[in-house]
Amino acid sequence: EVQLVESGGGLVHFGVPLRLSCVASGFTFNIYAMSWVRQAPGKGPEWISAISGSGADSHYADSVKGRFFVSRDNSKKTLYLQLNDLRPDDTALYFCAKDRNNGLVAALEIWGQGTMVTVSS
Amino acid sequence: QSALTQPASVSGFREQSITIPCTATSGDVGDYQYVSWYQQHPDKAPKLVIYGVTNRPSGVSNRFSGSKSGNTASLTISGLQPADEADYYCSSKTTSSTVVFGTGTKVTVL
Repeated sequence: EVQLVESGGGLVHFGVPLRLSCVASGFTFNIYAMSWVRQAPGKGPEWISAISGSGADSHYADSVKGRFFVSRDNSKKTLYLQLNDLRPDDTALYFCAKDRNNGLVAALEIWGQGTMVTVSS
Repeated sequence: QSALTQPASVSGFREQSITIPCTATSGDVGDYQYVSWYQQHPDKAPKLVIYGVTNRPSGVSNRFSGSKSGNTASLTISGLQPADEADYYCSSKTTSSTVVFGTGTKVTVL
């Protein structure tokens, strides 16, 4: 079964770093781009980052550029998101998602269940 | 700043067809060929129902179809069913290799 399972969320104080993980199973992880998408309570999804299958290329939304960093360990079939300089408006459910291609084509066909990040001031 | 505008709500009767437009209000979605559509039920992750403007993933009902005209992409749901009641979001890759989501449309089945 194709599956993505996120972990690492929690309640953190303003400025405290956090690292999210997303473990993949059921598909050849290293040939697909992966994205992180977040959704604040009662709001629509917001794409925040993507990384190519090899990990050589990464992209970020302006809202997180310079604070969040995406990486992947293909040997462990795991995607990561390092969250630095967290602010209250980063509070959201964070999803990882599998793209349909090696590069970013923004067709996110498999999603995890999400991990909640709450930033208190 | 990229923006994809959708109507806040669309409704229709069971078995009717509805169409949800998604209009790109800035030029950085290029020729708008990387449009996807997602269905999201409450407390669930989004589900891809259309990609590449018109393509349907395996397992998605053929009642869902996508199209594009100029800077407006559209999702049509035919034969509307109660299970189609959900939030729908368009998205597009931009020319700077980021992704933008639409403002979202709540579909109600009357």
